[in-house]
Amino acid sequence: DAGVIQSPRHEVTEMGQEVTLRCKPISGHDYLFWYRQTMMRGLELLIYFNNNVPIDDSGMPEDRFSAKMPNASFSTLKIQPSEPRDSAVYFCASSLEQGPAYEQYFGPGTRLTVT
Amino acid sequence: DAKTTQPPSMDCAEGRAANLPCNHSTISGNEYVYWYRQIHSQGPQYIIHGLKNNETNEMASLIITEDRKSSTLILPHATLRDTAVYYCIVSSGTSYGKLTFGQGTILTVHP
Repeated sequence: DAGVIQSPRHEVTEMGQEVTLRCKPISGHDYLFWYRQTMMRGLELLIYFNNNVPIDDSGMPEDRFSAKMPNASFSTLKIQPSEPRDSAVYFCASSLEQGPAYEQYFGPGTRLTVT
Repeated sequence: DAKTTQPPSMDCAEGRAANLPCNHSTISGNEYVYWYRQIHSQGPQYIIHGLKNNETNEMASLIITEDRKSSTLILPHATLRDTAVYYCIVSSGTSYGKLTFGQGTILTVHP
């Protein structure tokens, strides 16, 4: 298996523009997670899905952020409009199930820079 | 979920055992201890987890004290490629999937 795939790997955009980050989870995994990592706040969970349904979005910073999972093999995280403080590395992860024995597999991340 | 405390940094000589401590004094009975690591510019990687008993896999060993208030991750023969940030996480119940990453321990393995 290719692991969790994220695209693009790097994104540079100007303030006010819409940004869409993409994730393909490992085939067969029922859970998908979006994380954000910054120097100031570390690695924080934004939202996670079970069987394409959002379960907990309490970590989503504000209404400018939205996430969707239209099918089991694809998810997007959208920021509209983007702001410089959104600059971070965004990670997607997936797991087979939710439970103590099920590890999360992380993708390589998307480094977002908003100027 | 219980909070964890880790030293900010540690050093280890290549080939020697690396022992990374974690304090989780407020852990409750149904909370598991997880270890992940993050090598520079990569996504976090799962290492090991445990509840009460000591655990070992191909990557590491996890030693949990009898009162479960602390644990130690052991890399038996550290290599330069083990240089990374190591995160100790406690999670439980319906929030198993909600991993809360702290600042972790920066482990530097030197020749």
